[in-house]
Amino acid sequence: AQKVTQAQTEISVVEKEDVTLDCVYETRDTTYYLFWYKQPPSGELVFLIRRNSFDEQNEISGRYSWNFQKSTSSFNFTITASQVVDSAVYFCALSEARRTQGGSEKLVFGKGTKLTVNP
Amino acid sequence: NAGVMQNPRHLVRRRGQEARLRCSPMKGHSHVYWYRQLPEEGLKFMVYLQKENIIDESGMPKERFSAEFPKEGPSILRIQQVVRGDSAAYFCASSPRLGYEQYFGPGTRLTVT
Repeated sequence: AQKVTQAQTEISVVEKEDVTLDCVYETRDTTYYLFWYKQPPSGELVFLIRRNSFDEQNEISGRYSWNFQKSTSSFNFTITASQVVDSAVYFCALSEARRTQGGSEKLVFGKGTKLTVNP
Repeated sequence: NAGVMQNPRHLVRRRGQEARLRCSPMKGHSHVYWYRQLPEEGLKFMVYLQKENIIDESGMPKERFSAEFPKEGPSILRIQQVVRGDSAAYFCASSPRLGYEQYFGPGTRLTVT
C-alpha cells in the first residue's frame, strides 16, 4: 500500500526566512511519481512539481527547490526567502506509474502542511 | 487554454436530495480523476475515468455515489440522497494521458443541511 507522511502539521515563519516542508513516502512500486501541490486560502489546488522515481536530480525553480532522496524515501520542499503570498497548505502526493491501458495513476496525498508566512 | 472547469462552485442541498457536480477537463485531456477533501481526512481519491469508461472506482463509496464521463460533455459526479457527512470539497483533475501530471479544477464545495 502507498502512504505519504507530512509530519509537520503547521509551520509559521517570518517573511524572508527559508522554510523546508518534509515529505516521506512508502511504496512497493519501483516506478512511481512524486508531486507537490499548493492550496492557497482561496481553495484551489495548484500543481508545483512532478518527479519520476528514477530521476533523483534536485530541482530549483526560482525560490522553490526540491530534494528527492530515494535512500530515505523523502521528497522535501524548500522555499527560500519566504513571502506572505507563500502562505498556503502544501500537499505532497505519490502515484504509481502505469503505462498500460487500464492502469490508474490515482494520487495518494499526505495530510498537508499549513505554512503561514508573517510580515 | 482554459483550465479545468467545475460547476457549481458552491452547492447547498438538503438531506435526501441529489447533488450533481460537473467537471470539464482541459482541452485535449481525456483522463479525469475525482477527489474529495474532508476536513479531518484530507484529500482522497474517489474515481478515475476515461471517455465513456470507469477505469478505477476503488475510492468510491459503494452506495449513493456514481460517476460518468460521456463521449460528449462534462464528467458528472452524482450523489443521491445526500447526508450531512457528504459535505466536503470535491475536486476534479484532468490529464492528457498516463504519465502526465494532473491539473485540478477549483473544486465544488457541497454543503448538506
